[in-house]
Amino acid sequence: GAGVSQSPSNKVTEKGKDVELRCDPISGHTALYWYRQSLGQGLEFLIYFQGNSAPDKSGLPSDRFSAERTGESVSTLTIQRTQQEDSAVYLCASSRPGLAGQISSYNEQFFGPGTRLTVL
Amino acid sequence: AQSVTQLGSHVSVSEGALVLLRCNYSSSVPPYLFWYVQYPNQGLQLLLKYTTGATLVKGINGFEAEFKKSETSFHLTKPSAHMSDAAEYFCAVSEYGGSQGNLIFGKGTKLSVKP
Repeated sequence: GAGVSQSPSNKVTEKGKDVELRCDPISGHTALYWYRQSLGQGLEFLIYFQGNSAPDKSGLPSDRFSAERTGESVSTLTIQRTQQEDSAVYLCASSRPGLAGQISSYNEQFFGPGTRLTVL
Repeated sequence: AQSVTQLGSHVSVSEGALVLLRCNYSSSVPPYLFWYVQYPNQGLQLLLKYTTGATLVKGINGFEAEFKKSETSFHLTKPSAHMSDAAEYFCAVSEYGGSQGNLIFGKGTKLSVKP
């Protein structure tokens, strides 16, 4: 079956412009995550959606970053007024619903190929 | 708060030699621990995971890792390196424990395999 897809694969933009990055999770996966991978910082969590619950935005680095998710499908990460330090690979991941009553169950996060963002 | 430390940003081994990638964690809850691999220009792929139960876990491609609570470690090993193992490896801990929630990653270790 299809994995997690992300678009565009590469995005070059000028400082100050807004960008939108898209993530299509695996069908049936209720959980969706955004991470950022940059030189020197490694992989950082940005935001987490789980079903209809309020998203966990605790990893967003500034109010220029926001994300939305339509139901349990597509998610869009928006960066407003981009800065050069926003240059990174943005990774999306999705996972299945948790299994009720199974403490030890873990739902693997499946990662997309990422969007490489370059801010000039 | 949970954290992960990977010792060595670059590790180089000869083909056929033992691979040992080190990972230490800090967690205020019983940890769920993971190793992911990232090949050039690709996304992350889960190698193996520890949740509960047996502390020696086996993953794909001949890799295994042992959870040692007393040492707060989860080192990744493979008895004999292959050229195709060259990649970047990330150790991670589940931030809140349990089956959901975001992962906290180490900074990664790039593995080179010499012929």
